[in-house]
Amino acid sequence: GNSVTQMEGPVTLSEEAFLTINCTYTATGYPSLFWYVQYPGEGLQLLLKATKADDKGSNKGFEATYRKETTSFHLEKGSVQVSDSAVYFCALSSGTSYGKLTFGQGTILTVHP
Amino acid sequence: DTAVSQTPKYLVTQMGNDKSIKCEQNLGHDTMYWYKQDSKKFLKIMFSYNNKELIINETVPNRFSPKSPDKAHLNLHINSLELGDSAVYFCASSQDPSGGPGTGELFFGEGSRLTVL
Repeated sequence: GNSVTQMEGPVTLSEEAFLTINCTYTATGYPSLFWYVQYPGEGLQLLLKATKADDKGSNKGFEATYRKETTSFHLEKGSVQVSDSAVYFCALSSGTSYGKLTFGQGTILTVHP
Repeated sequence: DTAVSQTPKYLVTQMGNDKSIKCEQNLGHDTMYWYKQDSKKFLKIMFSYNNKELIINETVPNRFSPKSPDKAHLNLHINSLELGDSAVYFCASSQDPSGGPGTGELFFGEGSRLTVL
């Protein structure tokens, strides 16, 4: 079956630090990969996505590259802000899943001034 | 206008009670979902409906019964509530359930926090 594994959290950084949140997956077929973000007290919202190998998704300064050879989709940002404090979820959707997303366990990010 | 709205946002109740959570989306999407988020933030799908028809039913106790009166609404009714049902329940919707490329962009509500005492 499909599964997503994220790095253990929580992650605490100072403002302007470099961020990496690791994500690896197992899936049948050729999944689409996603990062969702959940700000405090809110629902999840799509941050970025990639639908095929070597695609790079990017949004709001965040980037992730679909690496089929390492089955990874690591999230990066060069300089984090306090407003980036949130829970980040890696997820995948495969061709047989009828739109069902399989989520990783989430990584809590806290950015201090 | 909120795209996916859930009510109530907070629900505190006693064990053994029956409660419902309502969800409405105004995005014109064909597919709606219920997800459960536990205290460790882990998200797991419970149900999915496409055009009022059930298409995903994960291993969920039959005390949980979804109802979709039309494709813009998906309500969740829970009978005989247990302590372990305490969680945040998220409703979501998407345009395409088929699992093809680009699928997976779900739009989530703000969640309904259920506390069972």
